[in-house]
Amino acid sequence: DAMVIQNPRYQVTQFGKPVTLSCSQTLNHNVMYWYQQKSSQAPKLLFHYYDKDFNNEADTPDNFQSRRPNTSFCFLDIRSPGLGDAAMYLCATSRGPTYEQYFGPGTRLTVT
Amino acid sequence: QKEVEQNSGPLSVPEGAIASLNCTYSDRGSQSFFWYRQYSGKSPELIMSIYSNGDKEDGRFTAQLNKASQYVSLLIRDSQPSDSATYLCASPNRGNQGGKLIFGQGTELSVKP
Repeated sequence: DAMVIQNPRYQVTQFGKPVTLSCSQTLNHNVMYWYQQKSSQAPKLLFHYYDKDFNNEADTPDNFQSRRPNTSFCFLDIRSPGLGDAAMYLCATSRGPTYEQYFGPGTRLTVT
Repeated sequence: QKEVEQNSGPLSVPEGAIASLNCTYSDRGSQSFFWYRQYSGKSPELIMSIYSNGDKEDGRFTAQLNKASQYVSLLIRDSQPSDSATYLCASPNRGNQGGKLIFGQGTELSVKP
């Protein structure tokens, strides 16, 4: 089945220790998104790639970076995680800007 | 600021009843609307999308769109306890190249056996 896969599902890191989250898709969608979701809040977009074009949200901290080496894969790098970065990180894909977005299962990040 | 508004609930309905979830939006030019179901600790799951005025049915779910009133709703017939979740209404931001989703606050639905 076509799907969005995220690894790892759970990640524990230490304060200030870099971490990378990965996302892959078999849907061959053009757009890939990274969202951050904290408890009882709606997902918050961090950035997205439309094909190779990177689009950063204005309020995304510089601590967050992303890479999309090919159509299928996208990575979220958190350079120096703080306690406030503990959250669920969601990857989503879409055919295009007005189409449905399909979410992966998420990565739950804990910062100790 | 383009907005999508939902009642946060919780909405409680008895098993077998119809659950009605409502959403309003501020951008009159919005073209597409999505309903996601999110169980606690899980990721959002797309359950309905609607692009045209009127009703769209899929199994026990019916999405309704009224562009004149800027109103979207989701009806869940024969509600089951397994429908208990938070339901998110969302629409892509037309001003954003990639289609950033503007989410409502989510409505928590509880279906009582």
